[in-house]
Amino acid sequence: EAGVTQSPTHLIKTRGQQATLRCSPISGHTSVYWYQQALGLGLQFLLWYDEGEERNRGNFPPRFSGRQFPNYSSELNVNALELEDSALYLCASSLADSPLHFGNGTRLTVT
Amino acid sequence: GENVEQHPSTLSVQEGDSAVIKCTYSDSASNYFPWYKQELGKGPQLIIDIRSNVGEKKDQRIAVTLNKTAKHFSLHITETQPEDSAVYFCANEAGGTSYGKLTFGQGTILTVHP
Repeated sequence: EAGVTQSPTHLIKTRGQQATLRCSPISGHTSVYWYQQALGLGLQFLLWYDEGEERNRGNFPPRFSGRQFPNYSSELNVNALELEDSALYLCASSLADSPLHFGNGTRLTVT
Repeated sequence: GENVEQHPSTLSVQEGDSAVIKCTYSDSASNYFPWYKQELGKGPQLIIDIRSNVGEKKDQRIAVTLNKTAKHFSLHITETQPEDSAVYFCANEAGGTSYGKLTFGQGTILTVHP
């Protein structure tokens, strides 16, 4: 089965711009999670979507937002980019209480 | 909020030796404890997990132990191989308002020397 796919793999933006990251979950999975992995800081929980609804949110400002589409794919939007937003953004998917399966991430660089 | 401490931050072993990574957590309501392996350029991959009603779980060369009283859990890798070299992360899920949210440790860079 195909794993979690994320696009693009790399994204370079300028401070103040907006970034859109995309994620396709494993077929049959209804939950999508977003995590930020900044250098040296481990993985930080951003957002959890399930059945099209935002279910939980981490300690990030409102300029981090997203949505989940009827086909369960998801988008993460980051507005008013700041230099410290540079990180690897990881998407994961799961079904009910099954373990999270991660994609290979989108490397966002803000200059 | 929940805090997960992971030690050591780096671990170097000879091929064939055992490796042990330890994590402590603060939220006594935690009920799910996965371990992930992350290789360079890839996303984290689940290698083993344990739920709070179990004290130990083993899968071939990998085992996880959980001590809920002391609030710590450990990953044990026996007969290490060079391909075990990677960054390992522990995590937990606390339930309640933290349901669906994994809190990760800071990671352990494991190097297995041939």
